[in-house]
Amino acid sequence: DAGVIQSPRHEVTEMGQEVTLRCKPISGHDYLFWYRQTMMRGLELLIYFNNNVPIDDSGMPEDRFSAKMPNASFSTLKIQPSEPRDSAVYFCASSSIDRSLYEQYFGPGTRLTVT
Amino acid sequence: AQSVTQPDIHITVSEGASLELRCNYSYGATPYLFWYVQSPGQGLQLLLKYFSGDTLVQGIKGFEAEFKRSQSSFNLRKPSVHWSDAAEYFCAVGFNQAGTALIFGKGTTLSVSS
Repeated sequence: DAGVIQSPRHEVTEMGQEVTLRCKPISGHDYLFWYRQTMMRGLELLIYFNNNVPIDDSGMPEDRFSAKMPNASFSTLKIQPSEPRDSAVYFCASSSIDRSLYEQYFGPGTRLTVT
Repeated sequence: AQSVTQPDIHITVSEGASLELRCNYSYGATPYLFWYVQSPGQGLQLLLKYFSGDTLVQGIKGFEAEFKRSQSSFNLRKPSVHWSDAAEYFCAVGFNQAGTALIFGKGTTLSVSS
């Protein structure tokens, strides 16, 4: 298996622009998680899906952030408009309750820089 | 409130020396416990996990961790550290419900000196 795939690996954009981060979970996994990592706040859960349905989005910072999972093999995290304080590493992770409860597999992350 | 604490922000260990990284949690029942490692520029890799049973769990790369209910701790250990172990280590806790997202500690950065 290729593992969790995220794209792009690096993104540099100007304040006010729309940013879309992409994630492909491990095939067969039914949970998908989006995390944000910063020096100040560490790893924070933004939102997670079960069987493509958002379960908990209480970690989404504000309305500028949105996430979708149109099918079992693809998810996006969108920031519109982006701000410098959104600069962080964004991780996607997936897991399968059937195979290994709670064990989450992380992608390599997308490093976002908003200037 | 549920929380995870890693008291040590940064630890330096000599190569070949033993290592212990601390993790404490706050919760009324036994949670599910994990240690992840993150190398620079990489995602997180699972080292080991505890769900139930034997309180001493073995993981990859020669790591082990011990769950101590009385201390609400899940400390990570390695008897002999290698230079390649230099990385950031995260303790994570899952509470009760299947599929619930994990709560991560702030991480401990391990440096290995020669």
